[in-house]
Amino acid sequence: GAGVSQSPSNKVTEKGKDVELRCDPISGHTALYWYRQSLGQGLEFLIYFQGNSAPDKSGLPSDRFSAERTGGSVSTLTIQRTQQEDSAVYLCASSSSGEGYNEQFFGPGTRLTVL
Amino acid sequence: AQSVTQLDSQVPVFEEAPVELRCNYSSSVSVYLFWYVQYPNQGLQLLLKYLSGSTLVKGINGFEAEFNKSQTSFHLRKPSVHISDTAEYFCAVSETSAGGFKTIFGAGTRLFVKA
Repeated sequence: GAGVSQSPSNKVTEKGKDVELRCDPISGHTALYWYRQSLGQGLEFLIYFQGNSAPDKSGLPSDRFSAERTGGSVSTLTIQRTQQEDSAVYLCASSSSGEGYNEQFFGPGTRLTVL
Repeated sequence: AQSVTQLDSQVPVFEEAPVELRCNYSSSVSVYLFWYVQYPNQGLQLLLKYLSGSTLVKGINGFEAEFNKSQTSFHLRKPSVHISDTAEYFCAVSETSAGGFKTIFGAGTRLFVKA
């Protein structure tokens, strides 16, 4: 694809349910990032994948959050037992490599609402 | 640990006036610095970046930023803004972490250009 895609674009769920958010990075990009954007709080780093290296999970807010990246491409962010404070826009980005000087290309985001 | 502080959450300015959006960072190592822009209902895109060399960096849409190592700042400027510059602007710092680089974003500055 031409850019980073995310699905679904919107997700409304009930408190306590599990949700899965999907990210398709730009083909060939080895680095993939997940962020959470809450109103007035900017972008919060969640997790970072680089090639076959172990992911940097240091930003995951609790053990209810997990992410995987299959085959070095598509990534899924899973939130178990969702809480109202999980409501936010979840952004995925990819870059051509894990080098810090590379531009990150962002997807449109998934807006999660937990009722 | 690195951090990014955007000193103004909102900046209202009249069209054709100059603007400066402030960004300070803290890091104990060399970093790469970025400004991203998010137009209403759109994803984030790169505005400009500083990697090394000249401390004055020019980006798209007439924006520029100056890296000041002694003040650990990377302020964004434009000499004359347009209505179309209304957007949220994010300063970001990329620093080495285990296995690669992690990018930390500031909380964002909402620029509102008035006619």
